[in-house]
Amino acid sequence: GAVVSQHPSWVICKSGTSVKIECRSLDFQATTMFWYRQFPKQSLMLMATSNEGSKATYEQGVEKDKFLINHASLTLSTLTVTSAHPEDSSFYICSANNALAGAYTDTQYFGPGTRLTVL
Amino acid sequence: SQKIEQNSEALNIQEGKTATLTCNYTNYSPAYLQWYRQDPGRGPVFLLLIRENEKEKRKERLKVTFDTTLKQSLFHITASQPADSATYLCALGRGSYIPTFGRGTSLIVHP
Repeated sequence: GAVVSQHPSWVICKSGTSVKIECRSLDFQATTMFWYRQFPKQSLMLMATSNEGSKATYEQGVEKDKFLINHASLTLSTLTVTSAHPEDSSFYICSANNALAGAYTDTQYFGPGTRLTVL
Repeated sequence: SQKIEQNSEALNIQEGKTATLTCNYTNYSPAYLQWYRQDPGRGPVFLLLIRENEKEKRKERLKVTFDTTLKQSLFHITASQPADSATYLCALGRGSYIPTFGRGTSLIVHP
């Protein structure tokens, strides 16, 4: 149980285009999902917290107009990278808490990640 | 600001030996500490959680210790296997705050 999927697993796009990444909790409900970015040999950097039915909470330094997050249901959150540029190329990973279990001290279930390459 | 340190150099060990990875932290008093495994090009997978009032926790071949005085956690894999080769991340958290991740240490187990 507690499986999180991401789609697509990798994407290559031209500079200036927008890319949407989906994160789904397959067998549990997640009121909260998290979006991370990871550069090679670096730690996971939290970008934003996605809350079902409300606006996302962005970390300092993350442009909310560039990284649009929508959490329309208890099992789906999307991250849209708008007007992508080569410096946005990275590994994007989402995670979710099991809504029934509650607090952040519980296990985070991570998706497999999406490799974005912007040419 | 809080800082989490994991050895950036890869740990190379021989199959069958015990691998020990270290997670040190400063300027923080976490209520819990988690260890995750991450394979190349994949998302992290949760392994173990240990709370501040716990000294040690075990799960199969895995053992985690948590020393709040030294501000350190040790992660042990006994009888290591080549399949254990991966990057291991520690994450610290407290209360309602979202855990902060270290950059991980790569473990390479040689057959």
